Amino acid sequence: DQQVKQNSPSLSVQEGRISILNCDYTNSMFDYFLWYKKYPAEGPTFLISISSIKDKNEDGRFTVFLNKSAKHLSLHIVPSQPGDSAVYFCAASRRYNFNKFYFGSGTKLNVKP
Amino acid sequence: DGGITQSPKYLFRKEGQNVTLSCEQNLNHDAMYWYRQDPGQGLRLIYYSQIVNDFQKGDIAEGYSVSREKKESFPLTVTSAQKNPTAFYLCASSLQGASGTYNEQFFGPGTRLTVL
Repeated sequence: DQQVKQNSPSLSVQEGRISILNCDYTNSMFDYFLWYKKYPAEGPTFLISISSIKDKNEDGRFTVFLNKSAKHLSLHIVPSQPGDSAVYFCAASRRYNFNKFYFGSGTKLNVKP
Repeated sequence: DGGITQSPKYLFRKEGQNVTLSCEQNLNHDAMYWYRQDPGQGLRLIYYSQIVNDFQKGDIAEGYSVSREKKESFPLTVTSAQKNPTAFYLCASSLQGASGTYNEQFFGPGTRLTVL
């Protein structure tokens, strides 16, 4: 029973355009969310996070949006670059259980030159 | 360079054999974790440890065992009791913040285990 879901296994975007990766969760107790990026044969690396007290967090080309009522978050990459091609995982955790993160199945982003 | 190392990158074992996956970190992190990744699924937590000589089961601990004798090391043993051990295994570590705080996890490169 996956508590964090990424329903799009893959996404293809043209270089320079916006990439939007989506993530849904079922547990209303989750209050901290992260995005990780993973290249082949490497471990995931932390990209950006957001706490439930916010609905938006921005870091350079990356912005994460949180819609608590819809239990939905999204990662926007603008502009997309070929080097952004990777698998993106979203993860969620809840207060006082912060050692347990629940991960989605990942979305493979391909940015075409 | 600070980081997490996992060895080996690829591991092959015969069915019925126990196998131990290595994970070492020099980030001075208190907490360490083991995850398993299968195709089309997210990372699932096997075991985690918040401090030396202490560890807790994650969501899929059956058929696995761990030890945490040193802060920098958290080896995972895949026992013959694990029914479907072929998978990609990821080790991670994080700071242990104050209660209610969050710290992102840093991952190693992973070990792909294939049981023949």
